[in-house]
Amino acid sequence: QKEVEQNSGPLSVPEGAIASLNCTYSDRVSQSFFWYRQYSGKSPELIMSIYSNGDKEDGRFTAQLNKASQYVSLLIRDSQPSDSATYLCAVNRITGANSKLTFGKGITLSVRP
Amino acid sequence: KAGVTQTPRYLIKTRGQQVTLSCSPISGHRSVSWYQQTPGQGLQFLFEYFSETQRNKGNFPGRFSGRQFSNSRSEMNVSTLELGDSALYLCASSEFSNSPLHFGNGTRLTVT
Repeated sequence: QKEVEQNSGPLSVPEGAIASLNCTYSDRVSQSFFWYRQYSGKSPELIMSIYSNGDKEDGRFTAQLNKASQYVSLLIRDSQPSDSATYLCAVNRITGANSKLTFGKGITLSVRP
Repeated sequence: KAGVTQTPRYLIKTRGQQVTLSCSPISGHRSVSWYQQTPGQGLQFLFEYFSETQRNKGNFPGRFSGRQFSNSRSEMNVSTLELGDSALYLCASSEFSNSPLHFGNGTRLTVT
């Protein structure tokens, strides 16, 4: 099983719709979870971080974490063409003084005008 | 604050050569991580440095090495370059172990 898996894409939604991006992870002791957005030819940009079970909302973005199911998701409400990008799920595991952030392979979102 | 700065932005090397990439973290960030990004493998963790010490290392051959200086700036070196080393190399810094990473613009390495 891969450490961090994202549902296969690409994902295409119409403008104004809700885009749902999912991610599962294998390491139960993972402690922090992040979503990054990467536009073509650019570096990843942090859009959400979540550390405890439940939902966290920031503008049109909502991150959801369920540690029992080892599942983290990102909802994008009122999707805009400017949201078209690759979204990367990242999971952090801390062991003592060491931390290791593992990324999923990403899912490409396309928002159709 | 200035963001993470990576130099150079682009590099073209031939097989067998070596290359050194540089990264300056965000001021105050003591942790620096390096990642390799390719279309097929995605973002692969290379190593993490904190206070000049390598704290963690990914599954890359010994040709890949790095170091961190007392001012938190970091360099990574790849020796005996192979065609498969062609990739985007990303440096990221964070304030604490559990903090999110902030990425630089990357160095695009092409090996011919």
